[in-house]
Amino acid sequence: DTAVSQTPKYLVTQMGNDKSIKCEQNLGHDTMYWYKQDSKKFLKIMFSYNNKELIINETVPNRFSPKSPDKAHLNLHINSLELGDSAVYFCASSQFSTGTLSNTGELFFGEGSRLTVL
Amino acid sequence: AQKITQTQPGMFVQEKEAVTLDCTYDTSDQSYGLFWYKQPSSGEMIFLIYQGSYDEQNATEGRYSLNFQKARKSANLVISASQLGDSAMYFCAMLVNTPLVFGKGTRLSVIA
Repeated sequence: DTAVSQTPKYLVTQMGNDKSIKCEQNLGHDTMYWYKQDSKKFLKIMFSYNNKELIINETVPNRFSPKSPDKAHLNLHINSLELGDSAVYFCASSQFSTGTLSNTGELFFGEGSRLTVL
Repeated sequence: AQKITQTQPGMFVQEKEAVTLDCTYDTSDQSYGLFWYKQPSSGEMIFLIYQGSYDEQNATEGRYSLNFQKARKSANLVISASQLGDSAMYFCAMLVNTPLVFGKGTRLSVIA
């Protein structure tokens, strides 16, 4: 059983298109995240949701819109794709939310979704 | 603001030797957690080890140990008896009441 699953794993699309990446976790965690990993491998937090509520929204263009229909799902929709959006997008989940430091604190990552914008 | 620094973009190690990957952090909070993740060429993120700021003992997990020096704000990862399968990117990360903040990573190459 995959703990955090993302679809699609690979996505190739033209500039200007709109695309979505889906994420589901079956761990019963309250908090989910989207990270972006650029071509230099730098991982940067984009969004964090706790129990369907947005709690972290880093400086991300408003073309990116996360949606959490329930606490097990966090989807990422991207409008008007640009070349610079090409990256690997990782979904992750954890048991804790901001303000609480767990004694394990592990993030469980999905396998990543590689987005290529042509 | 919290900050994680990994100063070694790339490292080489001979198979069966030990290697230390450096990580320093900056925070004014007293309560925080430090993590190491491995990212092989296949791309997935694999949790390796965790150290809490109040933990008195250095964390160990199999061949991985974390050399935690709180006064120096360092959390170096030590891999003993390196194996070819250890070749990967390694990320240090910190948790301080926010989602994990990652360093830029160190690419480790294990040579036969």
